[in-house]
Amino acid sequence: DAGVIQSPRHEVTEMGQEVTLRCKPISGHNSLFWYRQTMMRGLELLIYFNNNVPIDDSGMPEDRFSAKMPNASFSTLKIQPSEPRDSAVYFCASSRAGAKNIQYFGAGTRLSVL
Amino acid sequence: DQQVKQNSPSLSVQEGRISILNCDYTNSMFDYFLWYKKYPAEGPTFLISISSIKDKNEDGRFTVFLNKSAKHLSLHIVPSQPGDSAVYFCAAGAGSYQLTFGKGTKLSVIP
Repeated sequence: DAGVIQSPRHEVTEMGQEVTLRCKPISGHNSLFWYRQTMMRGLELLIYFNNNVPIDDSGMPEDRFSAKMPNASFSTLKIQPSEPRDSAVYFCASSRAGAKNIQYFGAGTRLSVL
Repeated sequence: DQQVKQNSPSLSVQEGRISILNCDYTNSMFDYFLWYKKYPAEGPTFLISISSIKDKNEDGRFTVFLNKSAKHLSLHIVPSQPGDSAVYFCAAGAGSYQLTFGKGTKLSVIP
């Protein structure tokens, strides 16, 4: 089975531009998570979807960030406008129904905002 | 305030010896714990987990120990191999889907 697929793997953009990160979760998984990893703060949860519905977006840093999950096989994380401090690695993860389940991570998108 | 702490940013161990990675937590509501391994340019991959009703879980060369009274868990790798060189993340959950991660410990296994 294919794992969690993220695209692009690398993104370099200029400040003020819109950035869209994409994620395809593992088939059959009904929970999807977006994380951001930085040196200072480590791995932080940004938003969590269950059955395509956003359940907890308290980790989204500000209104410039938005996430959607239009169907069970696709999610996007958008930053508009982007700022240099958004530079980080963004991970998407998915898991099966039920608590205490293992989250499976994609390879991540390394975002650099110049 | 960090609820999951990995106080050692890095650890070096000789091949064949034991690697011990430590993790402390502050939230007594956490009831399950996981270790993830991460290689450069890859996402974290699940390694081993333990429920709060247990104090030990073993999978091959990997064993996780949980001390609830001390709010401490550790990952033992025996024997350590060069391929184990990676960043190891401790994570904790409190009966929900969400996990709280430590900042990671970089393990280097020296041949």
